[in-house]
Amino acid sequence: KAGVTQTPRYLIKTRGQQVTLSCSPISGHRSVSWYQQTPGQGLQFLFEYFSETQRNKGNFPGRFSGRQFSNSRSEMNVSTLELGDSALYLCASTRSLMDNYGYTFGSGTRLTVV
Amino acid sequence: DQQVKQNSPSLSVQEGRISILNCDYTNSMFDYFLWYKKYPAEGPTFLISISSIKDKNEDGRFTVFLNKSAKHLSLHIVPSQPGDSAVYFCAASESSNYKLTFGKGTLLTVNP
Repeated sequence: KAGVTQTPRYLIKTRGQQVTLSCSPISGHRSVSWYQQTPGQGLQFLFEYFSETQRNKGNFPGRFSGRQFSNSRSEMNVSTLELGDSALYLCASTRSLMDNYGYTFGSGTRLTVV
Repeated sequence: DQQVKQNSPSLSVQEGRISILNCDYTNSMFDYFLWYKKYPAEGPTFLISISSIKDKNEDGRFTVFLNKSAKHLSLHIVPSQPGDSAVYFCAASESSNYKLTFGKGTLLTVNP
């Protein structure tokens, strides 16, 4: 079956611009989460959506936002980009955390802010 | 405040031997724990998980042990293979808040 698909894979943006990243979860998965990975901070939780509702949000500024559509696809947006936003952004989906079933991650979008 | 800690940044073992990766946590509300493996430029790959109601879970060469009183879990890989060389992340979750808290990872190198 198809995995979690993230587009684009690589992105270069200029400070002050905004960016939208896309994630298509595994078919049947209704929970979609976003994480930011940087060398200094590791993997940090951004937000989680289920049935188009944000159920939890991490400690990131309001410049980071997201949404989920009725088909479970999700997008995240970062406005007014800063150099420190350069990171690997990972999307993960799951059916359930129970029964030895973890989140499945996509390959990520590598964002470079110059 | 780092709620999930992997104190060993790296570990090197010989092929065929056991690899033991350790993880400590501080939040007693965590009730689900997972291990992920990650190669460069790829997303983490789920390996194995354990619920707080258990103290051991096995899946092939991978076994996770949970010691709730010590707030400690470990991943055992037996036997280790060169293809196991990767960064291993420990993660924890409170089932009520839908987020994973990750450790900083341990780079495992399995030497032929």
